[in-house]
Amino acid sequence: EVQLVESGGGLVQPGGSLRLSCAASGITFSSYWMNWVRQAPGRGLEWVANIDEDGNARYYMDSVKGRFTISRDNAKNSLFLEMNSLRAEDTAVYYCANMGLSTGFWGQGTLVTVSS
Amino acid sequence: QAGLTQPPAVSKGLRQTATLTCGGNRNNVGDQGALWLQQHQGHPPKVLSYRNNNRPSGISERVSASRSGDTASLTITGLQPEDEADYYCSAWDSSLSAWVFGGGTKLTVL
Repeated sequence: EVQLVESGGGLVQPGGSLRLSCAASGITFSSYWMNWVRQAPGRGLEWVANIDEDGNARYYMDSVKGRFTISRDNAKNSLFLEMNSLRAEDTAVYYCANMGLSTGFWGQGTLVTVSS
Repeated sequence: QAGLTQPPAVSKGLRQTATLTCGGNRNNVGDQGALWLQQHQGHPPKVLSYRNNNRPSGISERVSASRSGDTASLTITGLQPEDEADYYCSAWDSSLSAWVFGGGTKLTVL
């Protein structure tokens, strides 16, 4: 059974930092592109960033470029999102997800709240 | 980044058929198809259809996906109360180098 388990969310002040993690099991993690997708309270889904199988290619949504960094550790079947200079508008549930041509699995999410 | 176009709401009766649409362009839906997700209130999204229009194992045969040009569609037959949820489509946009999402369709089963 495929499982993606996110952790690292919490309450942080504006301008602060957080590091999210996603632990994968039940898949050959190193074979998949992986994504972070977020959902602000009461809003729709919004893609944040993704990374290729080897960690060599990374893409970001415009509003997080220069502030967020996606990375992975295939030896530990883990995906990360380093978030700096956090803003109130970054408040959301952050999901770890694969969205392949013939694959697709999502975690349960971790809540990030940016507030003073 | 520009998103995909979904109707905000669709209402259908019990046991009827609902077809949800997702409009894109040649760089996203028209290129590699759309992923379809179902989300019940307070729960994470669940994949209903991969971008190649195949269903993951465990997804009901009442669900099917298709694509015509730059528009993707999700059809749910024999609507049941548990089908009432928000539905999202998503596609990789090769010109933006970004995933784009639709705003979601709230499906109500009357």
